Amino acid sequence: ILNVEQSPQSLHVQEGDSTNFTCSFPSSNFYALHWYRWETAKSPEALFVMTLNGDEKKKGRISATLNTKEGYSYLYIKGSQPEDSATYLCASGGSNYKLTFGKGTLLTVNP
Amino acid sequence: DTEVTQTPKHLVMGMTNKKSLKCEQHMGHRAMYWYKQKAKKPPELMFVYSYEKLSINESVPSRFSPECPNSSLLNLHLHALQPEDSALYLCASSQVSPDTQYFGPGTRLTVL
Repeated sequence: ILNVEQSPQSLHVQEGDSTNFTCSFPSSNFYALHWYRWETAKSPEALFVMTLNGDEKKKGRISATLNTKEGYSYLYIKGSQPEDSATYLCASGGSNYKLTFGKGTLLTVNP
Repeated sequence: DTEVTQTPKHLVMGMTNKKSLKCEQHMGHRAMYWYKQKAKKPPELMFVYSYEKLSINESVPSRFSPECPNSSLLNLHLHALQPEDSALYLCASSQVSPDTQYFGPGTRLTVL
């Protein structure tokens, strides 16, 4: 994998459903993996930064895992709410301040 | 204060105009960034300033000229832009890499 790739591109779920998305990134020379939540007309909001293989982070109903050896991270949302509707971006970061972003997963939670 | 502010929110300019985008943060961050984001594409890094010095220029055309007057301010001077430069321009700041980058809401630029 040369670029940061996210799947699915978009996702529609019902309120109360749990869901997850995938971020794949180059595993060689890995430094850090970032997750952001981006609502329309707002600033991208930082969710997690993960650096160690096997890292798991949690913020309320949202959690993320990291596998640096195989180059993927999962983002999980438990009991989705309409206010979780947003684009979820992941980015692979290097030691030189540079972030390479994926195209994002657009989540729509229907009431 | 974990806010990065950007002005203006929207900007429409002609190809012969000169304009500037402004970004400000008061979190004491020593790295500041400009990104360009086109519709349905991920943000693309343009410039990084570290300790008020330009540390990364991602081969950006010279019609975009960044400036970091002090550790809290970052400007992007625009001159002789092309219609294809129309995009959302995002500013971000962070302490050091790989720390979280905090983003502003962006300036929506339209070049006529």
